[in-house]
Amino acid sequence: GIQVEQSPPDLILQEGANSTLRCNFSDSVNNLQWFHQNPWGQLINLFYIPSGTKQNGRLSATTVATERYSLLYISSSQTTDSGVYFCASEGSARQLTFGSGTQLTVLP
Amino acid sequence: KAGVTQTPRYLIKTRGQQVTLSCSPISGHRSVSWYQQTPGQGLQFLFEYFSETQRNKGNFPGRFSGRQFSNSRSEMNVSTLELGDSALYLCASSLSQDPPYSPLHFGNGTRLTVT
Repeated sequence: GIQVEQSPPDLILQEGANSTLRCNFSDSVNNLQWFHQNPWGQLINLFYIPSGTKQNGRLSATTVATERYSLLYISSSQTTDSGVYFCASEGSARQLTFGSGTQLTVLP
Repeated sequence: KAGVTQTPRYLIKTRGQQVTLSCSPISGHRSVSWYQQTPGQGLQFLFEYFSETQRNKGNFPGRFSGRQFSNSRSEMNVSTLELGDSALYLCASSLSQDPPYSPLHFGNGTRLTVT
């Protein structure tokens, strides 16, 4: 099956810094998505990005499907950005295969 | 619109017991899927229901089952609980799987502890 790998596993930043999170996938993926899990456990859908680049405020994402990777950029990080970021590939019937996540801590 | 609601929020059970978790999707959403999250295995797909039919099932033993009602609310049941079933169980709803893309909306989860 599809393998999804994320790096780095942990990231600690000072508020205001920028960061790049990476997601590598083993095969052609459909419906590549990025999620943020907040400290209360809820998963928030950030981007649906099977290819190309999208931006939403301070967050942007790029997927290069031919090279099997996706990047999530966070600019001018804030303490509220802390949490775990997951990328996931969606297969049939809403089945997501998640990566192991990047734990982001933004210090004030 | 109210979000995805999962109840209860926390649950403590002992080995051998069974448990039922509930998920109310966003109004109008017909697809409900369930995920298990543990520190060791991460996020894993359990099953998905659409219009009361299970369309897909992950690699979990038969002790894990679910159903969906006509109002799209869903329940999952775990029988003969084991210590390894301790996890955060997340439910997600969406309008459909068909194009155009319909994002998944997750609830806050039910944290199950088996002692």
